[in-house]
Amino acid sequence: AQKVTQAQTEISVVEKEDVTLDCVYETRDTTYYLFWYKQPPSGELVFLIRRNSFDEQNEISGRYSWNFQKSTSSFNFTITASQVVDSAVYFCALSEYSSASKIIFGSGTRLSIRP
Amino acid sequence: EAGVVQSPRYKIIEKKQPVAFWCNPISGHNTLYWYLQNLGQGPELLIRYENEEAVDDSQLPKDRFSAERLKGVDSTLKIQPAELGDSAVYLCASSDDRDSSTDTQYFGPGTRLTVL
Repeated sequence: AQKVTQAQTEISVVEKEDVTLDCVYETRDTTYYLFWYKQPPSGELVFLIRRNSFDEQNEISGRYSWNFQKSTSSFNFTITASQVVDSAVYFCALSEYSSASKIIFGSGTRLSIRP
Repeated sequence: EAGVVQSPRYKIIEKKQPVAFWCNPISGHNTLYWYLQNLGQGPELLIRYENEEAVDDSQLPKDRFSAERLKGVDSTLKIQPAELGDSAVYLCASSDDRDSSTDTQYFGPGTRLTVL
């Protein structure tokens, strides 16, 4: 069975600090996809990144970076030099190739950036 | 390019009343999803359509929930009758599943339902 765990329910940091959001997943498939979505107060889920299980390269996009480690089944997300606009709920998600597009979401981490 | 459109954004009804939500997916996306998101939780899939066909409705409470996607574009999700526990955000998403490299799901802003 597939499962996504985001142990950090809420995180609060001061602006310009770096912050890492943890994500641990469980799956029996060898082919799967991992995602991060951002949900600002407006409610819309905004797609941030998708990685497949065969690509363990870390990725950097501006102030965002992702660390994918299959050995620990983790897909952590780091925001460097955080800004108030980064305040949102962030969801990690997993889709198994065998489940045909069915995404399982974690429970989310609420990130608050204080000015 | 326009994103996923949902209406209404907010809906308040009394229990036992019917309610309907509408979704217009991203143009060209063949797959459409309805999710339920309870407060403090991640979205949970209710139903998935590939074109007009509901290919996964295993999580849809069929005694009171129904959905349709006529012509394989817009979709409507209905609850009749609504119960207090149905208060939640209903999210619609779409994707282009004809290519596994592009089948990322994109979400609409959701409809926040309050049942009194």
